Amino acid sequence: GAGVSQSPSNKVTEKGKDVELRCDPISGHTALYWYRQSLGQGLEFLIYFQGNSAPDKSGLPSDRFSAERTGGSVSTLTIQRTQQEDSAVYLCASSPPGLAGPYNEQFFGPGTRLTVL
Amino acid sequence: GENVEQHPSTLSVQEGDSAVIKCTYSDSASNYFPWYKQELGKRPQLIIDIRSNVGEKKDQRIAVTLNKTAKHFSLHITETQPEDSAVYFCAAKSSNDMRFGAGTRLTVKP
Repeated sequence: GAGVSQSPSNKVTEKGKDVELRCDPISGHTALYWYRQSLGQGLEFLIYFQGNSAPDKSGLPSDRFSAERTGGSVSTLTIQRTQQEDSAVYLCASSPPGLAGPYNEQFFGPGTRLTVL
Repeated sequence: GENVEQHPSTLSVQEGDSAVIKCTYSDSASNYFPWYKQELGKRPQLIIDIRSNVGEKKDQRIAVTLNKTAKHFSLHITETQPEDSAVYFCAAKSSNDMRFGAGTRLTVKP
């Protein structure tokens, strides 16, 4: 079946502009995560959505970052007034519901490579 | 919140040797510990995971051990092959979110 998809795959923007990154999770997956991966670095947790619960925003690095998840499916990560240090690959992942509960595997999307000039 | 540390950051082994990657976590409530493999330019993919009620799990050449008292867990790869070369991430999950280690770049020399 279809996996997690993200768009765009690449985004080049100028410093100070706003950008929106989109994530389409696997159908039926209730949990959705956003991560940031800088070049050669690890995965930095940004935000977590679970069903209709309030999202866990504890990983967002500044108030320029925000995310929404509409209808429990598609999610958009917005970065306002982009800075050069925002350049990274932004990865989205989703997990299914079910008996496995907190042990569910996260399925990653291909990522969006953001370059801020 | 949870804090995961991973060592070493880089690891180079000869083909056929074993590789061990270690992680520590801070939140004693963490109960799920997956390992992800990320090949160059690709997305991370789960290779093995372990739950807090188990001390060891094995899948062919890959094994993971968990010491809840010491709050550390390890990935063991035996009989390494060149295709094992990748970046490996450990993670720990407590309550809502998953926190990843910084990754280990494993190079297997033929």
